[in-house]
Amino acid sequence: DIQMTQSPSSLSASVGDRVTITCLASQDITNYLNWYQQKTGKAPRLLIYDASNLETGVPSRFSGSTSGTNFTFVISSLQPEDVATYYCQQYDNLPITFGQGTRLEIK
Amino acid sequence: QVQLVQSGTEVKQRGASVKVSCKASGYTFTGFYMHWMRQAPGRGLEWVGWINPHNGDTKVTHNFEGRVTMTRDTSTSTAYMELRRLKSTDTAIFYCARARTGDRLGHDAFDFWGQGTAVTVSS
Repeated sequence: DIQMTQSPSSLSASVGDRVTITCLASQDITNYLNWYQQKTGKAPRLLIYDASNLETGVPSRFSGSTSGTNFTFVISSLQPEDVATYYCQQYDNLPITFGQGTRLEIK
Repeated sequence: QVQLVQSGTEVKQRGASVKVSCKASGYTFTGFYMHWMRQAPGRGLEWVGWINPHNGDTKVTHNFEGRVTMTRDTSTSTAYMELRRLKSTDTAIFYCARARTGDRLGHDAFDFWGQGTAVTVSS
């Protein structure tokens, strides 16, 4: 199985801050990497697909990029409504696997 | 608009079975793979498997092989996931989610999710 190592596991930032989350794949997954946001008690929401494509309706402050097996998710200017847990997910190989999640809080 | 509506909360005894439904609307049900995920309390997301609603083909991850059956009813645009021989570690929320495109043979992002079905396994 492909392991997705996501970091940090939690972080606290101020409104307006730039926030970065990374995901490292245990092997090459090309760009088959997606990012989700999950608010407490809700289903996940797709934000970024294929490493860098913004899903329809998602604010442009969210972005994704890749460098080899390292994937980066950025919130350019943190907003109060961004409090959530964020997950990466690879779909290059089955089984589909997720990172362990990053819990984001407002300072 | 695309909607996935799942069945309600379940409480089951250890060793029993549970069948969760996921009714789709707002799109062509047979055109998009349907996936299932498990999320234990306070934990991350775990992929269970997918079903191709067009022909009924399924793929289940090895952790659930032999215990999970995925089916669908195209007449009602509903997907089902049955989990047998329930264990206490199966206490979780189960989600169905639609694959974003219809052409990646199950390898895809998930663009629409059901609201989740809480399953509690008691001893």
